[in-house]
Amino acid sequence: QKEVEQDPGPLSVPEGAIVSLNCTYSNSAFQYFMWYRQYSRKGPELLMYTYSSGNKEDGRFTAQVDKSSKYISLFIRDSQPSDSATYLCAMSGVGAGGTSYGKLTFGQGTILTVHP
Amino acid sequence: SAVISQKPSRDICQRGTSLTIQCQVDSQVTMMFWYRQQPGQSLTLIATANQGSEATYESGFVIDKFPISRPNLTFSTLTVSNMSPEDSSIYLCSVASSGGYTDTQYFGPGTRLTVL
Repeated sequence: QKEVEQDPGPLSVPEGAIVSLNCTYSNSAFQYFMWYRQYSRKGPELLMYTYSSGNKEDGRFTAQVDKSSKYISLFIRDSQPSDSATYLCAMSGVGAGGTSYGKLTFGQGTILTVHP
Repeated sequence: SAVISQKPSRDICQRGTSLTIQCQVDSQVTMMFWYRQQPGQSLTLIATANQGSEATYESGFVIDKFPISRPNLTFSTLTVSNMSPEDSSIYLCSVASSGGYTDTQYFGPGTRLTVL
């Protein structure tokens, strides 16, 4: 069993739709949760990060973490064609000083296409 | 966020040869990481490189195959040695940027390697 599971999709939605992307994980030591967006032939770009359980909102993006269920989500409101990319969830544990270990464990990535 | 560049951006190499990939950051960073992203797969951490110490390799990756240098706080190299077609992949470096309680990571654009 992989430590982080993510539905690879592909996911295709019309412009303006609400998109829900999800990951589940098995390692209870994970405390930091991130979402990256990766355009074709580019490096991953950090979108959101959260620490422990809860919600975080940034513009059209909302990240949710439910540690009791070992489940994280990224919601994209009013999706745009420019949101078409691969979305990767990533997680890490806690090391010395309360910072993350530094090692990120990634999900497989979900390919999202938003069509006009 | 840090600005990260990688050289070369892409290369096609022959079996049995070696390639050195460079990663340059526009600011001093403590931790640098090297990842591999095989076709259609997610990112897998190869090793963590801290300045002034030996790189720490993840399970399945060895120094003889992937030697790493970290001569200063803004630069690192990864060498892929004695290459085979299975080494065809995107190689990405990332840096950890301390902020509050978490170390988020920022990625370079990647080096796309094809081994014939």
